[in-house]
Amino acid sequence: AQTVTQSQPEMSVQEAETVTLSCTYDTSESNYYLFWYKQPPSRQMILVIRQEAYKQQNATENRFSVNFQKAAKSFSLKISDSQLGDTAMYFCAFPNAGNMLTFGGGTRLMVKP
Amino acid sequence: DTGVSQDPRHKITKRGQNVTFRCDPISEHNRLYWYRQTLGQGPEFLTYFQNEAQLEKSRLLSDRFSAERPKGSFSTLEIQRTEQGDSAMYLCASSPGTGGSFRVEAFFGQGTRLTVV
Repeated sequence: AQTVTQSQPEMSVQEAETVTLSCTYDTSESNYYLFWYKQPPSRQMILVIRQEAYKQQNATENRFSVNFQKAAKSFSLKISDSQLGDTAMYFCAFPNAGNMLTFGGGTRLMVKP
Repeated sequence: DTGVSQDPRHKITKRGQNVTFRCDPISEHNRLYWYRQTLGQGPEFLTYFQNEAQLEKSRLLSDRFSAERPKGSFSTLEIQRTEQGDSAMYLCASSPGTGGSFRVEAFFGQGTRLTVV
């Protein structure tokens, strides 16, 4: 079974600055995916970015990018040019073969004006 | 299609009562998932369906919990004899799963917040 750990319960960042959220995981699989989901206050969870383990290139989606270190089993999320709308809970997640997700405990991100 | 919808959004019930939640997935998605999220924590997997078949159940799903997905469309999650420890957000998600890799984006509903008093 896989485990996902997020060591930063809360973080804050000034608007327009850059912030990095950490995630480590453990799995015995060699080919897998990793996700970052965002859960804004009182709104549904949405996918931010996805990384395929066999791809060496780090995924990028606009202001969001990841630093994927397969050997270290590390999967951090970098948010550039932070916006007030980025305020949310962020969850690192590992999908198994049936797409059932194992989530980390989450990081509450506050973007300050 | 407006995405995954869940009903009700909020439910307050007395301990010992039964409650039922409904989830309507995105219409073309054949996989449907239920998760439970307690305050300040990440969601935990409860169960999932492919079409009408319930393929996996977590050990978190005690015998007081039952889920159905008749005809492979909407799903219901029932909790019998509720306990205060059942208080949580219950999330439903759906995803396509038509072969190959199933590790695709799951689309979540807004959840049903249950409070047992």
